[in-house]
Amino acid sequence: AQSVTQPDIHITVSEGASLELRCNYSYGATPYLFWYVQSPGQGLQLLLKYFSGDTLVQGIKGFEAEFKRSQSSFNLRKPSVHWSDAAEYFCALNSGYSTLTFGKGTMLLVSP
Amino acid sequence: DTGVSQNPRHKITKRGQNVTFRCDPISEHNRLYWYRQTLGQGPEFLTYFQNEAQLEKSRLLSDRFSAERPKGSFSTLEIQRTEQGDSAMYLCASSLAKGHANTGELFFGEGSRLTVL
Repeated sequence: AQSVTQPDIHITVSEGASLELRCNYSYGATPYLFWYVQSPGQGLQLLLKYFSGDTLVQGIKGFEAEFKRSQSSFNLRKPSVHWSDAAEYFCALNSGYSTLTFGKGTMLLVSP
Repeated sequence: DTGVSQNPRHKITKRGQNVTFRCDPISEHNRLYWYRQTLGQGPEFLTYFQNEAQLEKSRLLSDRFSAERPKGSFSTLEIQRTEQGDSAMYLCASSLAKGHANTGELFFGEGSRLTVL
């Protein structure tokens, strides 16, 4: 079975500070990994995805994520957070043939 | 707007009533997914279609739930005899898949929020 764990339910970051959101997965092989963002009242928007190759992937809005096989992790990072980044972030995986399995999400709060 | 469209956006109903949600995917997408999202949880897979064929259903999809995609375009999700536990956001997503592979990006609609009183 595949699963995704996002250990942090809420994170508060000061505007301009760096951000790292944690994601750990459980899957028997190398999964396809995704980060989505959901703003209030909005649908989920894809930030970035990892399929293979370079383990550091760049996404939209200045986000990046690093796949670490040894740690079964796919953490999301941003060097400088903007107030507009406040939203809920979901990590997800699939096998390439299965449907997406999501984590429970991390709510990002940005303080002035 | 050529994104995924869902309606109604909000539905309040009394326990025991039937409700139906509609999803219009991105026109060229062949796959359509339904997910359910409750407070504090990530989206949970319910079912998906490739064209008009319903290829997979989650165990979450009880007998009271039925989904259709009659012409491979829009889809409906009907919940019969609603219960308070059905209160959730119902999300629709679509993607363009090649063969059996499922690596395409899912594009999500804004969701239909159901409240069962």
